[in-house]
Amino acid sequence: QSMLTQPPSASGTPGQRVIISCSGSNSNIGRHPVSWLQQLPGSAPKLLIYGYNQRPSGVPDRFSGSRSGTSASLAISGLQSEDETDYYCAAWDDTLNGWAFGGGTKLTV
Amino acid sequence: QVQLVQSGAEVKKPGASVRLSCKASGYTFTNFAMQWMRQAPGQRPEWVGWINAVNGNTKYSQKFQDRVTITMDTSASTAYMELSSLTSDDTAIYYCARDNFLISFNPWGQGTLVTVSS
Repeated sequence: QSMLTQPPSASGTPGQRVIISCSGSNSNIGRHPVSWLQQLPGSAPKLLIYGYNQRPSGVPDRFSGSRSGTSASLAISGLQSEDETDYYCAAWDDTLNGWAFGGGTKLTV
Repeated sequence: QVQLVQSGAEVKKPGASVRLSCKASGYTFTNFAMQWMRQAPGQRPEWVGWINAVNGNTKYSQKFQDRVTITMDTSASTAYMELSSLTSDDTAIYYCARDNFLISFNPWGQGTLVTVSS
């Protein structure tokens, strides 16, 4: 079963701001922090956001996260061509008793 | 810098087992945990389990509970994941990722492709 739901695609133009959503439930996003991952083609995922809106060292502040109830969002401002790739949300799920990942959103710039 | 280097690609027959390694460097191995995930072609990542390198405790996904074992060799700063009773559905790239109990999945290893085919 899919615990976290993302739109399969999103798009924006260079310089624009785009938001990617991640819908969950009270067993995951409603109770636990959300992480966001970026995956370039042929590469391992890279952590962009953790703890709802914290960025690891080296991640530009163009990337930000937020949560409202049982949904989370990743906002990317000042879109650049290199942002065109796949993005995944992840959160601990109490029903699974494990980590759940969203289905991924392919961003086109 | 923190780096996770995983073992090379594997080709296995159905019913076999596979043991993958993840060697850590650039940090104190026993201060963190190690997550294991897999990702089939075109699919989302899937959590397999983790090992707490502080005390050796493990936790596995219910999906893999019966056939996965995650271990570690602290002297080698290396974590291992063994998956048994392989089927073609286990064909995927397997990743390890460091977890500091606050920040999960940072960084990831480069991944190991496991192909299960007769």
